[in-house]
Amino acid sequence: AQSVSQHNHHVILSEAASLELGCNYSYGGTVNLFWYVQYPGQHLQLLLKYFSGDPLVKGIKGFEAEFIKSKFSFNLRKPSVQWSDTAEYFCAVGANFGNEKLTFGTGTRLTIIP
Amino acid sequence: DTGVSQDPRHKITKRGQNVTFRCDPISEHNRLYWYRQTLGQGPEFLTYFQNEAQLEKSRLLSDRFSAERPKGSFSTLEIQRTEQGDSAMYLCASSSAGAGNQPQHFGDGTRLSIL
Repeated sequence: AQSVSQHNHHVILSEAASLELGCNYSYGGTVNLFWYVQYPGQHLQLLLKYFSGDPLVKGIKGFEAEFIKSKFSFNLRKPSVQWSDTAEYFCAVGANFGNEKLTFGTGTRLTIIP
Repeated sequence: DTGVSQDPRHKITKRGQNVTFRCDPISEHNRLYWYRQTLGQGPEFLTYFQNEAQLEKSRLLSDRFSAERPKGSFSTLEIQRTEQGDSAMYLCASSSAGAGNQPQHFGDGTRLSIL
């Protein structure tokens, strides 16, 4: 069975600070990895995804994530956050074949102080 | 851009009543998913359709839950004899076919409150 662990439940940063949100997953096979963001009052939106190839993936709004297979990790990073990045961030994993369901972490609430 | 549409946005009902939610996926997407999200948790998978075929159901989906996608377009999720523990946000997502996981696009959800 798949599982996802997000270690940071609530992160508070000042604008322009650098961000790194942790995500570790557990799964025995080949995985696809995702970060979704949920802005206040909005639906979940895809930030970025990793299917294969370059383990450093770039997403929208200046976000990037690095897949480290040996550590079962897919941490999200942004060099300089903005107030508009205040949102909840979810890491998710899906099997590379077969069933299509996503397993999500519990989410990290990010608050950016202007 | 017509995204995933869910109706209603909020449903308040008394315990023991039946409720039905509707999801209209992005038109060219043949895969449709239902998830449930409770406070402080990430979405949890409930069930998945490819076209009209229901291909997987989670153990979370008790006998009181049923989902359909009769023509491979919109889907309904029905909960019979609702219980307090059914209070949650019910999310629908859709994706296109392809090798491995394709990104899922989520709707705004239906928030169910059981009195």
